[in-house]
Amino acid sequence: DAGVIQSPRHEVTEMGQEVTLRCKPISGHNSLFWYRQTMMRGLELLIYFNNNVPIDDSGMPEDRFSAKMPNASFSTLKIQPSEPRDSAVYFCASSLAWTGGGYTFGSGTRLTVV
Amino acid sequence: GQQLNQSPQSMFIQEGEDVSMNCTSSSIFNTWLWYKQDPGEGPVLLIALYKAGELTSNGRLTAQFGITRKDSFLNISASIPSDVGIYFCAGRLIQGAQKLVFGQGTRLTINP
Repeated sequence: DAGVIQSPRHEVTEMGQEVTLRCKPISGHNSLFWYRQTMMRGLELLIYFNNNVPIDDSGMPEDRFSAKMPNASFSTLKIQPSEPRDSAVYFCASSLAWTGGGYTFGSGTRLTVV
Repeated sequence: GQQLNQSPQSMFIQEGEDVSMNCTSSSIFNTWLWYKQDPGEGPVLLIALYKAGELTSNGRLTAQFGITRKDSFLNISASIPSDVGIYFCAGRLIQGAQKLVFGQGTRLTINP
């Protein structure tokens, strides 16, 4: 298996622009998680899905952030409009729900908003 | 929200030394996990622990699920340069629940 695939690996954008991050989970995994990592705050869970349904979005910082999972093999995290404080590494992870195991993380998208 | 207190925040050691790090919480966890993150990559699962008192090894790595279910430690024996990275503990509060709570990480630097 190719693992969790995220794109792009790096994104540099200007403040105010829309940013879309993409994730393909491991085939057969039915839970998907979006995390944000910064030096100050560490790994923060933004939102997670079970069977394509958003279960907990309490970590989404504000309305500028939105996430979708239209099918079992694809999810997006969108920021509109982007701000410099959104600069971070965004990770997608997937797992098999209710097995009690750990997550498999993607390699992340490093977002820089200037 | 729930927090895991991971210590130390950073370690600077000589190659060949043993390493010990731990996580504590005021809450009871049903699962403890240890991850390692290499520069520019996502965290990778090293060891998973599911029962209080469980001691599990993975090569030179050994981790234990504390008896109180509020802590866990990770030991690395005879460190080598490729052990450099950030180590995260993670816990699951409710058995089978999906959400993991992550510690702040321990950054390990090794002098050859």
